[in-house]
Parts: sequence; C-alpha cells; structure tokens
Amino acid sequence: KQEVTQIPAALSVPEGENLVLNCSFTDSAIYNLQWFRQDPGKGLTSLLLIQSSQREQTSGRLNASLDKSSGRSTLYIAASQPGDSATYLCAVSYRGGSQGNLIFGKGTKLSVKP
Amino acid sequence: GAGVSQSPSNKVTEKGKDVELRCDPISGHTALYWYRQSLGQGLEFLIYFQGNSAPDKSGLPSDRFSAERTGGSVSTLTIQRTQQEDSAVYLCASSSGPVAYNEQFFGPGTRLTVL
Repeated sequence: KQEVTQIPAALSVPEGENLVLNCSFTDSAIYNLQWFRQDPGKGLTSLLLIQSSQREQTSGRLNASLDKSSGRSTLYIAASQPGDSATYLCAVSYRGGSQGNLIFGKGTKLSVKP
Repeated sequence: GAGVSQSPSNKVTEKGKDVELRCDPISGHTALYWYRQSLGQGLEFLIYFQGNSAPDKSGLPSDRFSAERTGGSVSTLTIQRTQQEDSAVYLCASSSGPVAYNEQFFGPGTRLTVL
C-alpha cells in the first residue's frame, strides 16, 4: 500500500529565507508526483508536476526534485515571502493503484513571517 | 478560462438527511475526481470518472455514497442518510486525461457539516 509522508508538519521562517519541504513515499512504482498549495478555506492549486522519468521541475522561485529510488521528493522555495504562507501538499499517482487517483500526504503548514 | 467550480460552498444538514454536491469541471476535461478532506486527515480519494468508462468507485466509504456524471461533464455526489462523520470538505478535481499523465485541477470545495 502506498503511503505518503510529509515532514515537517509545520514550519515557520522569517521572510527571505530559502527553505525545503520534504515528501517521502513507500512505493517507488509511481507515474508522477505533484506538489500543491492550499490556502485556508480554499481548494488546491497545482504547483509542479514531476513525471516518473524526470528528476526535477522548476517554476519561478519553486524547484521540486524527485528521487524515485529513495522514495523522496523535495520542494525548494527560494527567497520566501509572506504570500507563500499556506499548506503544501505532496501527492503521488502510483502504478499499484487506480489510474484515477492521487495519494496525498497530510501536508506541511508553512508560515513566513514579515 | 474558468476553473473547476463547486456548489454549494457550504452545506449544513441534519443527521439522516440526504445531500447533493455539484461539480462543474474545466470544459473539455475528460477525467473527474471526488476527494474528501476531514479535519486532521489527508485528502481521501472517493471516486473517479474517465470519459465513458465505468467509474472507479473504490474509494467510496459506504453504500450511502454515490456519484454520477451526466453528459461527460457535470457531476453530482450524493450522500444518503448523512452521519456526523460525513462532515468534511468535499473537493472535486478534473484533468484532461488520466492522472497518471495529467495535472489535476481542483475546485474550491464544499464544506459539509452534519449536525
């Protein structure tokens, strides 16, 4: 059974810091891994999608890496801003399950202090 | 263009009543998903529709839950005889194809409270 774990559960940093959020998964037979952002009371916004054949994806100040063999992904946020405060969720689509669903971690709640 | 929309945004109901939650996916997206997010829990997959194929219902927690998708577009999630443990945020998502290869886009969710 695929399980997705995110560490830490919460993180508070001062504005301007670079930071790393971690995601691990137990079954390396995945199609892809997605990082999402969720603001309070809102739905999820897709940040980055990494296909299983890829090692990383970049979008602006965000960089996500994928190491399938070790079952890990990291989301790197450069020069953090208060507007980055949100919960960040990692999710995998894995070959052992339905092609129709993502398995989510419980998220890392990020707070960036001005 | 328009994203995924859901209605209502909030629903309060009494235990034992039936509720219907609606999802309008992004136009042209063939795949539609329902998830549930309970307080302190991660997102839990409920059901998946892909084109005209039979839906994947493997995530539905009980036979009180059902969903349909009419005309390959709008979907309705129905919960019969609601229980307090059904209280959660119900999220709908769509993608242009199976999630194995395509990005999912989420709606804002419906917050269901069962009294």
